[in-house]
Amino acid sequence: KAGVTQTPRYLIKTRGQQVTLSCSPISGHRSVSWYQQTPGQGLQFLFEYFSETQRNKGNFPGRFSGRQFSNSRSEMNVSTLELGDSALYLCASSATGVSGGVHEQFFGPGTRLTVL
Amino acid sequence: DAKTTQPTSMDCAEGRAANLPCNHSTISGNEYVYWYRQIHSQGPQYIIHGLKNNETNEMASLIITEDRKSSTLILPHATLRDTAVYYCIVRAGYEKLTFGTGTRLTIIP
Repeated sequence: KAGVTQTPRYLIKTRGQQVTLSCSPISGHRSVSWYQQTPGQGLQFLFEYFSETQRNKGNFPGRFSGRQFSNSRSEMNVSTLELGDSALYLCASSATGVSGGVHEQFFGPGTRLTVL
Repeated sequence: DAKTTQPTSMDCAEGRAANLPCNHSTISGNEYVYWYRQIHSQGPQYIIHGLKNNETNEMASLIITEDRKSSTLILPHATLRDTAVYYCIVRAGYEKLTFGTGTRLTIIP
């Protein structure tokens, strides 16, 4: 079974621009979560989508948004980029159902975003 | 905030068992203990999880104390490829994963 894929793997943008990152979950997984990893803050949760609905949200400004499509693929968007948005953005998929349950998350390789 | 406490770093000789401790004294009855690891610049990799019984899979063993306030991840025969940051996380249901700073494990040849 193919793992979680993320595109692009590397991205360079300038301040003020916007960026869209894509994540394809493992086949059959309906939950997709996004995380940001920086040297200073470590791994931080952005948001989680399940069946096209945002189910959990982290403590990030509204410039960070996401969505999920009917095929479970997900995108996240960052508008008005700041230097501090430079980070590794990780996507994880899980087989978790509507009522929760215990399911591990499988992470993709990440997208490394550099903001100049 | 992370609900777990782990040592910042540990060394282990290649071929020996690596024992990584984790304290989670405020764990709730419905929270599981998860372990992930992250090799430099790669996405975190799921290792194992458990509720109250000891668990074993092809990668590792998880020993949870009877009071569930601490646990130990055991890599039975550490190799150089096990050098990574190991994260211990407590989580209920489909809650988000809250990563702490983890333990940087270095396998020494």
